[in-house]
Amino acid sequence: AQTVTQSQPEMSVQEAETVTLSCTYDTSESDYYLFWYKQPPSRQMILVIRQEAYKQQNATENRFSVNFQKAAKSFSLKISDSQLGDAAMYFCAYSRTTGANSKLTFGKGITLSVRP
Amino acid sequence: EPEVTQTPSHQVTQMGQEVILRCVPISNHLYFYWYRQILGQKVEFLVSFYNNEISEKSEIFDDQFSVERPDGSNFTLKIRSTKLEDSAMYFCASSLDRGWYGYTFGSGTRLTVV
Repeated sequence: AQTVTQSQPEMSVQEAETVTLSCTYDTSESDYYLFWYKQPPSRQMILVIRQEAYKQQNATENRFSVNFQKAAKSFSLKISDSQLGDAAMYFCAYSRTTGANSKLTFGKGITLSVRP
Repeated sequence: EPEVTQTPSHQVTQMGQEVILRCVPISNHLYFYWYRQILGQKVEFLVSFYNNEISEKSEIFDDQFSVERPDGSNFTLKIRSTKLEDSAMYFCASSLDRGWYGYTFGSGTRLTVV
């Protein structure tokens, strides 16, 4: 079974600084998808960024980028120029690319606070 | 931008009562999911639905739970006899394919069982 581990329960960053959120996972599949979701206090789940394991290039979406290390099964999220609106819970998630469906397996999440 | 709509946003029910949580997925999506999140804990998969049938379910999704897509637009989760431990946030999600384009989540239904 696939597992996703987020070992840091909380992190804090100064506004305008850069922060990296860690995630590791375990799978026997060779191709899969990885995601970071943001959950603000409204509890809405918002897709931040996604990565396909088949692709070597790290995904980037504006101020958000990932460091995908397939051999190490590591998928960290870097937030540059942190803004107050980035304060939220962040979940790392995994899904398979094969099979009748691809459920998401989530980590426990990390609470990010942004200091003004 | 298309949205997944969930109703109600908050429901309070007595233990032992039946509840139905409703979702309207994005119209051209083909895969539908329910997840739950007990307060302060991680998001857990309940069930996935494709081609008018359950394609996968978790251990949590026991005989007390059922899902339906009765009319081609709504996707419902029924809990037949609620327990205190069913109190959680329930999220509906849909996806166009098996997930590369991401899953669009609804804003959730907070279920409180008293």
